[in-house]
Amino acid sequence: QQQVKQSPQSLIVQKGGISIINCAYENTAFDYFPWYQQFPGKGPALLIAIRPDVSEKKEGRFTISFNKSAKQFSLHIMDSQPGDSATYFCAASGRGSTLGRLYFGRGTQLTVWP
Amino acid sequence: NAGVTQTPKFRVLKTGQSMTLLCAQDMNHEYMYWYRQDPGMGLRLIHYSVGEGTTAKGEVPDGYNVSRLKKQNFLLGLESAAPSQTSVYFCASSYRGQYEQYFGPGTRLTVT
Repeated sequence: QQQVKQSPQSLIVQKGGISIINCAYENTAFDYFPWYQQFPGKGPALLIAIRPDVSEKKEGRFTISFNKSAKQFSLHIMDSQPGDSATYFCAASGRGSTLGRLYFGRGTQLTVWP
Repeated sequence: NAGVTQTPKFRVLKTGQSMTLLCAQDMNHEYMYWYRQDPGMGLRLIHYSVGEGTTAKGEVPDGYNVSRLKKQNFLLGLESAAPSQTSVYFCASSYRGQYEQYFGPGTRLTVT
């Protein structure tokens, strides 16, 4: 059973546009939601993360929006640039027996056209 | 600091052969993880460790074994490789749970 569902699988955006990637989860024990960015041939790297005590977190052009009641969170990339072309993974983690484990979505391949 | 390193970077195995992938981290992290990445499947956790001498199963542990004899090293073993184990393997480490995971550069394994 997939713990975190991510959409879309691929996304093509024009330079300067807004990229939006969505994720949903079911486990209400999850309380940590990071996003990872992966460039071809490299390992993933943490981009931004949020905890459910806030509804939004912004770092530069990257924003996470979090809807606790809907159990959904999304990544917005403003003013998308060709250098943002990468695969993005959302993830979730909870306390208790799953502490330390990240459950990843299946990824979104973003292409930003110049 | 080298961060997280993985050895080897590439490997081709024949069905039934065995091998060990080595992961090393120099950040004094408690937690270490092994993932596999396959197209369209995201990152799937194979095994993880929350401290020296401890290991736990992840989402897809069958066909793999691990050991964490030293805090800085986490070994992933394939006793009898199968074509279904063709994948890119990533090791990661973190200070504790729910802290940033630092990933290695990956090992591309092909089993023929």
